[in-house]
Amino acid sequence: DTGVSQNPRHKITKRGQNVTFRCDPISEHNRLYWYRQTLGQGPEFLTYFQNEAQLEKSRLLSDRFSAERPKGSFSTLEIQRTEQGDSAMYLCASSPRGTMNNEQFFGPGTRLTVL
Amino acid sequence: AQSVTQPDIHITVSEGASLELRCNYSYGATPYLFWYVQSPGQGLQLLLKYFSGDTLVQGIKGFEAEFKRSQSSFNLRKPSVHWSDAAEYFCAVGGSSNTGKLIFGQGTTLQVKP
Repeated sequence: DTGVSQNPRHKITKRGQNVTFRCDPISEHNRLYWYRQTLGQGPEFLTYFQNEAQLEKSRLLSDRFSAERPKGSFSTLEIQRTEQGDSAMYLCASSPRGTMNNEQFFGPGTRLTVL
Repeated sequence: AQSVTQPDIHITVSEGASLELRCNYSYGATPYLFWYVQSPGQGLQLLLKYFSGDTLVQGIKGFEAEFKRSQSSFNLRKPSVHWSDAAEYFCAVGGSSNTGKLIFGQGTTLQVKP
C-alpha cells in the first residue's frame, strides 16, 4: 500500500480555464475527503464521500467546483472557470471503513496556481 | 462554533531544547484531537491522536500531547528538539459526526536553531 496519491502535483493555469485533479485513496478506505489549504493557513474542509455518495459539501465549494467518486474508489475535483482566488494546495485524505475516530491519511496535495 | 486556535504562528527553539506548541479548541461534543506535521512540499503526517482514556498520549518521533478538558487544550510537547523537526504543525479537532471532517488550526511554524 503506497498511501494516498494525488495527480498532478502541480498545476498552473490561466484564469477562466477548467482544471481537474485526481485522488487515489488507500485501498479499501471507504471515506474520502477534499480540503483546501492556502498559504499560512490550515486545511479547510471542502467535501466528503462515503463510498460513491457525496454526503457533505462546505459552503467554500462554490458552484464552480464539483467532485465525484464514481465507483467508490478514486475521486476527481474539477474547478470550472478558475479564478486567482482558487490558487491553493488541494489535499485529499482517506479514512478506513468502519472507523468513527476520524483518523485521516493525507496525500501530498495538488498545488494550483491561477495566473 | 467549532474552532481550533494555535496562538503561536511562529516558534524558534534551539536544537536540544524542549518544545511546547499550544492548541485550544472549541467543540460542542466529545472531541477527537489530532496533531499533524507538514514539511515543505509534503502532505500532512499524523503525529498523534486522542480519542479517550489516558489524557497523555504518545506519538511518533518522540512527541507527546496532553488533553486538558477543563482548559480545552491539547498541547504538543517534545523534550529535546532535533533539527529535522523544523516544519509546520497543525492541531485538528473532529468528532463522532457522520462525516468525520476535521477542523484545523492555522498552524505553527517551528524553526530550529543549531
